[in-house]
Amino acid sequence: RKEVEQDPGPFNVPEGATVAFNCTYSNSASQSFFWYRQDCRKEPKLLMSVYSSGNEDGRFTAQLNRASQYISLLIRDSKLSDSATYLCVVNFRLHGNNRLAFGKGNQVVVIP
Amino acid sequence: GAVVSQHPSRVICKSGTSVKIECRSLDFQATTMFWYRQFPKQSLMLMATSNEGSKATYEQGVEKDKFLINHASLTLSTLTVTSAHPEDSSFYICSFRGIASGTETQYFGPGTRLLVL
Repeated sequence: RKEVEQDPGPFNVPEGATVAFNCTYSNSASQSFFWYRQDCRKEPKLLMSVYSSGNEDGRFTAQLNRASQYISLLIRDSKLSDSATYLCVVNFRLHGNNRLAFGKGNQVVVIP
Repeated sequence: GAVVSQHPSRVICKSGTSVKIECRSLDFQATTMFWYRQFPKQSLMLMATSNEGSKATYEQGVEKDKFLINHASLTLSTLTVTSAHPEDSSFYICSFRGIASGTETQYFGPGTRLLVL
């Protein structure tokens, strides 16, 4: 079983609409969680951390469900510039070291 | 914030040649750096962890004699792909972990796109 699983999509979203997607993780001892954004042929960039109580940053809302081991991201009022791949990233400890596990990403295409 | 640079940004080489990729942290001293590889439509996969002044730790299935890592200083780590083959064509990304505003954050370089003909 993969450490982090995401539905790659693509998620075609009309401009101005809301889109939401989840990822699941397999390691119940995972400590911290992130959403990264990756544009085509570019490196990943941190979008936001995900906190247990859920958190919001502008049009982006992240939720964490430890019991079911999933993380979600919701984007409101989608902009054309939101088109990207959103990577779910989980931090866990392995042999005393912090490790990041990446999902394949949810590809979002915002359509005019 | 911390900035990571990589050079070259893209390289095309013939099969059998070696390619060296440099990763520099520009305003942060990184004791640990990470090298990732990403194939099209796949997730980033950790190749190795590079520790300054000591040998790198490789992930299972990554050949240490093929992917040579040198982390000679706190600001520079290099990855050399030796005797490159077409299946080594990929997007190679370095990263380092640091503290920003009291939070441990991982910073990524812009990546090097390698195409082996």
